Amino acid sequence: EVVLTQSPGTLSLSPGERATLSCRASQSVNNNYLAWYQQKPGQAPRLLIYGASSRATGIPDSFSGRGSGTDFTLTISRLEPEDFAIYYCQQYGASPYTFGQGTKLEMK
Amino acid sequence: QLQLQESGPRLVKPPETLSVTCTVSGGSISSGNYWWTWVRRPPGKRLQWIGIINYRGATYYNPSLESRLVMSVDTSKSQFSLNLNSLTAADTGIYYCARAVQVTGSSLIDYWGQGTLVTVSS
Repeated sequence: EVVLTQSPGTLSLSPGERATLSCRASQSVNNNYLAWYQQKPGQAPRLLIYGASSRATGIPDSFSGRGSGTDFTLTISRLEPEDFAIYYCQQYGASPYTFGQGTKLEMK
Repeated sequence: QLQLQESGPRLVKPPETLSVTCTVSGGSISSGNYWWTWVRRPPGKRLQWIGIINYRGATYYNPSLESRLVMSVDTSKSQFSLNLNSLTAADTGIYYCARAVQVTGSSLIDYWGQGTLVTVSS
């Protein structure tokens, strides 16, 4: 199965700063079927990005995704207080679908 | 607005069977554009995809769980369910139901339930 490794494990930044999160796959992700989700404590995960770079409905353009093959990035251009959460990448290009271990974005 | 609500026991004894149901509201479970899926997170571990089912009952399971897993759908009740047998403590975790939209050759999870915590312990 495709193993996804996210880095860093924790990212400490301040509101207004730029966040860059990485997701690396153990093998090429078919069709660049790579998604990013945001999860806050006690809440359901929320889809942010799909197909590596397409924003889901209602997601602000401060969120952007890029990458292909085995290396993917989620960028939040200017952090808002509500952006501090855990972020997961997931590949849906091959079964079984797999997830990264998550990056915790915390307020400095 | 679509809502997905998990229901089931909070505590199950090994090696019993876990049965969890997801009730879908605010949208049709019978739409051919969507599949219905389960994901879990054991404590301290990453999210694990369990399996997926469509409204006709077609299923795909995670090979690591396939021998113990049965998923079903009841369109009349707008519900889908998972049954996982021969439970061990390793099956403890938060169980999420979710909707997946069909894309070319795959499906994308686009909407999640809040999750339900299940503990396997004697």
